[in-house]
Amino acid sequence: NAGVTQTPKFRVLKTGQSMTLLCAQDMNHEYMYWYRQDPGMGLRLIHYSVGEGTTAKGEVPDGYNVSRLKKQNFLLGLESAAPSQTSVYFCASSYKNFSPLHFGNGTRLTVT
Amino acid sequence: TQLLEQSPQFLSIQEGENLTVYCNSSSVFSSLQWYRQEPGEGPVLLVTVVTGGEVKKLKRLTFQFGDARKDSSLHITAAQPGDTGLYLCAALLMDSSYKLIFGSGTRLLVRP
Repeated sequence: NAGVTQTPKFRVLKTGQSMTLLCAQDMNHEYMYWYRQDPGMGLRLIHYSVGEGTTAKGEVPDGYNVSRLKKQNFLLGLESAAPSQTSVYFCASSYKNFSPLHFGNGTRLTVT
Repeated sequence: TQLLEQSPQFLSIQEGENLTVYCNSSSVFSSLQWYRQEPGEGPVLLVTVVTGGEVKKLKRLTFQFGDARKDSSLHITAAQPGDTGLYLCAALLMDSSYKLIFGSGTRLLVRP
């Protein structure tokens, strides 16, 4: 049982480059989330989805886009990376609203 | 500003000591969760509290939800090195947005 899988695990980008982070879950969960974690800031919600084909903005959505074309996948895109987006990104999923969140192991992104 | 404030930010104690960490807000939440995160991994759910005044116990961990549902505490009795980690509280905003917001976390180190 894989749970929540994030790819890649590590990535280094130059300012202005683009990339997509992939999150896949095999638990048939409706809700999926993207968070970023910075030192002393806890986890901040970027975007989330309450079902296939739906997305919504979280606390810090600027500079990111997301898509949920399939129920099991939630993609996070950076169109033009900036050093301020250097962070650890976590994807999570849950069965329904405020069910326990199941997290992936994170993607460490560095933007130089 | 952080919607959920956690204190203390850091705590270093000797094995066998007791400790309490706090999660406070000026907002009222429908329910609150506590997670523990270890280095290189995503957070893992410890408990969910729903009712004001509710107390839940998980072995040596005791969780309490404030009567007004604005605050929560986590008490650990006789801490062990295995309790070391980042403790995060998370709460659902009562604005029908389904946003699950995390606090900044308390980093606990239990020395043998």
